[in-house]
Amino acid sequence: AQSVTQPDIHITVSEGASLELRCNYSYGATPYLFWYVQSPGQGLQLLLKYFSGDTLVQGIKGFEAEFKRSQSSFNLRKPSVHWSDAAEYFCAVGAGNQGGKLIFGQGTELSVKP
Amino acid sequence: DGGITQSPKYLFRKEGQNVTLSCEQNLNHDAMYWYRQDPGQGLRLIYYSQIVNDFQKGDIAEGYSVSREKKESFPLTVTSAQKNPTAFYLCASSLRDRSYEQYFGPGTRLTVT
Repeated sequence: AQSVTQPDIHITVSEGASLELRCNYSYGATPYLFWYVQSPGQGLQLLLKYFSGDTLVQGIKGFEAEFKRSQSSFNLRKPSVHWSDAAEYFCAVGAGNQGGKLIFGQGTELSVKP
Repeated sequence: DGGITQSPKYLFRKEGQNVTLSCEQNLNHDAMYWYRQDPGQGLRLIYYSQIVNDFQKGDIAEGYSVSREKKESFPLTVTSAQKNPTAFYLCASSLRDRSYEQYFGPGTRLTVT
């Protein structure tokens, strides 16, 4: 069965430091992969997506993610974190033939220290 | 402005009552989705609809019902059969041929006591 694991429940980084949020997936075929961000009490916003092609994808707000098939990973990165990046981040995989069904990881909460 | 609206933002109900959550979109999207979010569990799919008058159960459909009479609207009813209804409910929509690119509404927090 498809699944997504985000090993880190909570991460704290200093403003200006680099960031990497981990995501591992389990899926039989080439996956469709996504990162979403959620501010407290709000809906989710799509940061970036991977369908095929270049394994390094650029997203909004200066985020990027790299698809590594050999490691079944799709880690999210940002070179320099801003205080406004504090939020919860969700990795998701498209569940193949189930018409748009997304399977989400448990989420990683990011705190930013001044 | 195009987008998805969910109302109300906060909803309180007594145990044993059915409650309907509203979701409307003006993005001209074909597909719509309902997710439930609980702390530490990510989002789980309740129901989805790819076309008017048709919908499918997701992973946790028990105790919920939906209708899709109009393209713009996909209301979710939380029935008294749902054992743990208190949660944050998110509605999403997408184009049918880009079904994984889902746009989310702001959510409704339902509290049942």
